[in-house]
Amino acid sequence: QKEVEQNSGPLSVPEGAIASLNCTYSDRVSQSFFWYRQYSGKSPELIMSIYSNGDKEDGRFTAQLNKASQYVSLLIRDSQPSDSATYLCAVDSGYSTLTFGKGTMLLVSP
Amino acid sequence: DAGITQSPRYKITETGRQVTLMCHQTWSHSYMFWYRQDLGHGLRLIYYSAAADITDKGEVPDGYVVSRSKTENFPLTLESATRSQTSVYFCASSVSGAAETQYFGPGTRLLVL
Repeated sequence: QKEVEQNSGPLSVPEGAIASLNCTYSDRVSQSFFWYRQYSGKSPELIMSIYSNGDKEDGRFTAQLNKASQYVSLLIRDSQPSDSATYLCAVDSGYSTLTFGKGTMLLVSP
Repeated sequence: DAGITQSPRYKITETGRQVTLMCHQTWSHSYMFWYRQDLGHGLRLIYYSAAADITDKGEVPDGYVVSRSKTENFPLTLESATRSQTSVYFCASSVSGAAETQYFGPGTRLLVL
């Protein structure tokens, strides 16, 4: 069974701080990694995808991938109250499907 | 651009009844997926389809049936609903593979009494 682990949180940060969200995965052959954001009562929406080791930046968001350590993270700079949501890590499982973590709840206080 | 839609958005049914959840996408994506999301379990894949008339089981397929006669539609049927199937159901699609970005519909909240 492919596993994707995330700390359930909540992770609480003050407005303007950096939020760091972490995800580990069990399948060494995984090649595709995604971060989704899910607001309460809404559907998941893609924030970032990453496929290669290293960092990938998009605005205030940076995804970091370390395949050797089987670790992927999402950094949110200058966190805003509107960033308060649950963040889902998803990893391809090699059988035409994605495995999702249970998500980390982020709370950004004004 | 409607994207991906689900109907109904909310459904209350009784144990033993058959329920069909509809999913429609306007992007002509090849792949479509059905997930359920429950507290403590996260998103779990029920079934997916790579193309019309091609479907495959996911992690939790028992009690569910799918069909895909047209590329744009992917209905999910609960043949005899049970209380354990109370959940939020999400349909998703991707262009040409599951190891790609998946786009989610708005979800259907199902309550089985």
